Amino acid sequence: EPEVTQTPSHQVTQMGQEVILRCVPISNHLYFYWYRQILGQKVEFLVSFYNNEISEKSEIFDDQFSVERPDGSNFTLKIRSTKLEDSAMYFCASRFSPGTTPNEQFFGPGTRLTVL
Amino acid sequence: TQLLEQSPQFLSIQEGENLTVYCNSSSVFSSLQWYRQEPGEGPVLLVTVVTGGEVKKLKRLTFQFGDARKDSSLHITAAQPGDTGLYLCAARNTDKLIFGTGTRLQVFP
Repeated sequence: EPEVTQTPSHQVTQMGQEVILRCVPISNHLYFYWYRQILGQKVEFLVSFYNNEISEKSEIFDDQFSVERPDGSNFTLKIRSTKLEDSAMYFCASRFSPGTTPNEQFFGPGTRLTVL
Repeated sequence: TQLLEQSPQFLSIQEGENLTVYCNSSSVFSSLQWYRQEPGEGPVLLVTVVTGGEVKKLKRLTFQFGDARKDSSLHITAAQPGDTGLYLCAARNTDKLIFGTGTRLQVFP
């Protein structure tokens, strides 16, 4: 069964460093998302991406964050200068299409980002 | 801001017991999804409910969407240790999902 994959599974970085989190969505999906979950808290939406542009972003997704789909398969989240409070699990999700489908998003296993 | 409140927050039961968890909001949703999340892993989609009053069954799990599409419940019959996990409801807001606060279920053998 097709699934969303993410790499790395765990990333440790120093405060102020740049990190890139990578995702390979399900191959025929068209909509892509990043969410994050700080330890013990709710899953929070960061950004959605469709047709090579951001379609929606949350207040969390400030100028330090960017997303890119550099080729036909990868979807990346970049944090330019990491802060301690960026430590969280980051989940990539994808879905097939809009319209009548009830927005079923499928999630990857996550990348645990630890900022020291 | 739309909020999804789940109850109970924690639930510890013995194998074989039945349980119900709830997901409530003051907002109306076009659809609602239930996910299960294991520690250190991503949410796994269990079911999507769309129509008010809809009931869906997945083996021992029964999901119901409220008539007014503001709330949902998940009932597990004869719980097993393999049901242990964090159960999350999530509703669509524009194109994103808003997640509930979660119910952490522990089933003891």
